[in-house]
Amino acid sequence: DAGITQSPRHKVTETGTPVTLRCHQTENHRYMYWYRQDPGHGLRLIHYSYGVKDTDKGEVSDGYSVSRSKTEDFLLTLESATSSQTSVYFCATWVEQNNEQFFGPGTRLTVL
Amino acid sequence: GQSLEQPSEVTAVEGAIVQINCTYQTSGFYGLSWYQQHDGGAPTFLSYNALDGLEETGRFSSFLSRSDSYGYLLLQELQMKDSASYFCAVGGATNKLIFGTGTLLAVQP
Repeated sequence: DAGITQSPRHKVTETGTPVTLRCHQTENHRYMYWYRQDPGHGLRLIHYSYGVKDTDKGEVSDGYSVSRSKTEDFLLTLESATSSQTSVYFCATWVEQNNEQFFGPGTRLTVL
Repeated sequence: GQSLEQPSEVTAVEGAIVQINCTYQTSGFYGLSWYQQHDGGAPTFLSYNALDGLEETGRFSSFLSRSDSYGYLLLQELQMKDSASYFCAVGGATNKLIFGTGTLLAVQP
């Protein structure tokens, strides 16, 4: 199985502050994804990456940016956090042999 | 646009069989997946169907009918540990997934 760590696991911040969430994988998978999960909405794709420095928007990308300078790291940045971005954020990689997305443990972000 | 529909809640008793349905509308369909998520945990992969028919993995089976844009997850011999949320998801290019809003399964003794 792919190994994925997310940091921090919990964060409380204030409206207007910048926040960066980190996703680190150890399996050299090409595709990586950032989702947010909110009650009643399931998992919604924010951004994804199909290689180093190759990223694209998902369905809820407004207010978020991403960067991928190395295969193993995919960063999600909230330039100026808002209360509507309070959510649980999951990172995932694509495990090709199983047609599976493998998820990290998640980051719970609270914006006050 | 793309959308998926699945029931919001299902209740069943230990040892029973339960079926969770999923209908979808999407362009560029590649396959239907199912994920399980326990409260407070990460989603975990259960199954993937690219072709019509039934796929069986232990107590869990998944079915797809592409002509009907419909699939289901079948859980047999239910156990208390099966209490969780179950999400269907459709895949497209670049392996992006669109998830349904999830079905909360409560297994009662």
